[in-house]
Amino acid sequence: GAGVSQSPRYKVAKRGQDVALRCDPISGHVSLFWYQQALGQGPEFLTYFQNEAQLDKSGLPSDRFFAERPEGSVSTLKIQRTQQEDSAVYLCASSFAGELFFGEGSRLTVL
Amino acid sequence: RKEVEQDPGPFNVPEGATVAFNCTYSNSASQSFFWYRQDCRKEPKLLMSVYSSGNEDGRFTAQLNRASQYISLLIRDSKLSDSATYLCAVRSNDYKLSFGAGTTVTVRA
Repeated sequence: GAGVSQSPRYKVAKRGQDVALRCDPISGHVSLFWYQQALGQGPEFLTYFQNEAQLDKSGLPSDRFFAERPEGSVSTLKIQRTQQEDSAVYLCASSFAGELFFGEGSRLTVL
Repeated sequence: RKEVEQDPGPFNVPEGATVAFNCTYSNSASQSFFWYRQDCRKEPKLLMSVYSSGNEDGRFTAQLNRASQYISLLIRDSKLSDSATYLCAVRSNDYKLSFGAGTTVTVRA
């Protein structure tokens, strides 16, 4: 499709496991964002890429969170040693002319 | 204090009614303002940008009050399909969009 694609859509992890969430942005979109949305809350900014450069990672909650976009297209958000408080929907968005286009999100549940 | 704050609601209104709600922001240097709509278990989608002079898009009217640092959304002639969570979003620099927690609107028949 022509939209932002995220996988997996649902992920259940045991506490302490590592997870990797993938985002395939809209072709040609230079800017890519990751947001975390907890139940009943709005999306919270995690990190921002312009092409392959990670220009802002101020929203990453801890050093267990790591994001990359090595070729300026697909991005991966990795969470190491998952904790229960990491349970949330992780939204990826790519941007053109200032408008954000969100993927459907990856819903992570940590047991 | 959170950068963007919204009344969570819920606003329960009958079909055909008018509903309005606000969003306040803390950074006076904020540059751009938006309303997003989010349906249950779906991703946010842009509803409309908010311009300084206020703007309308069909039954939706958005206003910006820079002096008091709030934006508003008014929905006229509510439809059942307007039931959703409305997220206020504020851009304070060249790229970062900050969201409120959302206002839930339920339109009943």
